[in-house]
Amino acid sequence: KAGVTQTPRYLIKTRGQQVTLSCSPISGHRSVSWYQQTPGQGLQFLFEYFSETQRNKGNFPGRFSGRQFSNSRSEMNVSTLELGDSALYLCASSPYNSQLNTEAFFGQGTRLTVV
Amino acid sequence: KNQVEQSPQSLIILEGKNCTLQCNYTVSPFSNLRWYKQDTGRGPVSLTIMTFSENTKSNGRYTATLDADTKQSSLHITASQLSDSASYICVVSANTDKLIFGTGTRLQVFP
Repeated sequence: KAGVTQTPRYLIKTRGQQVTLSCSPISGHRSVSWYQQTPGQGLQFLFEYFSETQRNKGNFPGRFSGRQFSNSRSEMNVSTLELGDSALYLCASSPYNSQLNTEAFFGQGTRLTVV
Repeated sequence: KNQVEQSPQSLIILEGKNCTLQCNYTVSPFSNLRWYKQDTGRGPVSLTIMTFSENTKSNGRYTATLDADTKQSSLHITASQLSDSASYICVVSANTDKLIFGTGTRLQVFP
């Protein structure tokens, strides 16, 4: 069974640009969450989707958005990139409707560098 | 405020030795506590997940304990191996909130 797949693995963008990251969950999993990981802040929750609906949202500005498609694949978009957006962006999937009570399986992440 | 604190921040041990990592949390209401291992540049991998009623759970050489009264958890690694070098992240789930992550303990195992 394939794991969680995130693309691309690495990305370099300039300030002001926008970026779209993709996540394909484990087959059969319907919940997808996104996290930002930086050395100073650790892992921080961005948002969670289940059946194409956003269920939870973290404390990030509106420049960060996401969506989930009918096949459970998810994308997150960051507009007007800032230097501080440089981070490892992780996606996690789980089979049930919330990652609060079930195990979450993480992808390898997308390393975004903003210059 | 819901918080998860881990100690130590970093740890260096010799191969074959045991070590214990600590996690204290102030999360309410508590649902479950997880330990993840994260190799550099890779996504976290789950080691254990424990609910309120569980006070110990093992996964090979990894043993996690949970004291829900004192809101403390520990991860004990037995007979460490070079491949244990990684960051270990404690994560607590609250019924009314998202997953709350600790900042991790960076473990280095030297031969």
